[in-house]
Amino acid sequence: GAGVSQSPRYKVAKRGQDVALRCDPISGHVSLFWYQQALGQGPEFLTYFQNEAQLDKSGLPSDRFFAERPEGSVSTLKIQRTQQEDSAVYLCASSTLTGRGETQYFGPGTRLLVL
Amino acid sequence: TQLLEQSPQFLSIQEGENLTVYCNSSSVFSSLQWYRQEPGEGPVLLVTVVTGGEVKKLKRLTFQFGDARKDSSLHITAAQPGDTGLYLCAGISSGSARQLTFGSGTQLTVLP
Repeated sequence: GAGVSQSPRYKVAKRGQDVALRCDPISGHVSLFWYQQALGQGPEFLTYFQNEAQLDKSGLPSDRFFAERPEGSVSTLKIQRTQQEDSAVYLCASSTLTGRGETQYFGPGTRLLVL
Repeated sequence: TQLLEQSPQFLSIQEGENLTVYCNSSSVFSSLQWYRQEPGEGPVLLVTVVTGGEVKKLKRLTFQFGDARKDSSLHITAAQPGDTGLYLCAGISSGSARQLTFGSGTQLTVLP
C-alpha cells in the first residue's frame, strides 16, 4: 500500500536509553507531523515539517526530544534518556498543502514502553 | 492541555440505538474534523466541516459544526457493532501551522 508507515511498531526501552522512531510518509506529501498519544487520550501535537524545514516544534515536551527530516521525505523522532512518562503511542501523519481543512493521513503509530 | 472537550468519554450501547457525541471548545476553529481510530491503528478522517452551521451526512453519521465554529456534534443513527471505536474531534485554528488540536476522544462500544 501507499500509506504512511512507521517503524518499529513496538519498542520497549529501559529508562535512560535513547530511541529512534521512523516515519515514511506518503510519497510526494510536503507536510509531516508527529503526535504523541497517551493511553485513553487524543493525540497531542509534537512537531511539524514542511519539506525538510521544521516549522513548528512547540509541542516537543523537552529538549530530550529531537526530530529531523533531512531530505524532505523520511523523518526520525529521537528521544534521548527516555523516562517512564515518555511511554505512549507516537503517531506520524503526512499531508499535501491544500489550505483550510486539509487531510492528514496517519500511520499506525509506534507504541513505546519505557520500563 | 486539550482545548477541545469531548463528551461522553465512554459510551456503550446496544445495536440499533442512536447516539450523539459532543465536541466543545472556548476557541474558534477555522475548520473541524472528526476521526475514528481502532486499536493499533492511526486515526482515519471521517469528515471535515468548514462553515459555521454546516451539516454533513455520511451514511448513518451526521456531523454538525456550530454557528460560532466552537463546537461540533456527531450523531449516529441505528448504531452497528462495526461502529465501535475511538471517535476524535480535531480543530484547525486560523493562522496555525496546520497542526491539529485533538479532543480527548469518545470510546464507543456497540454491543450486538
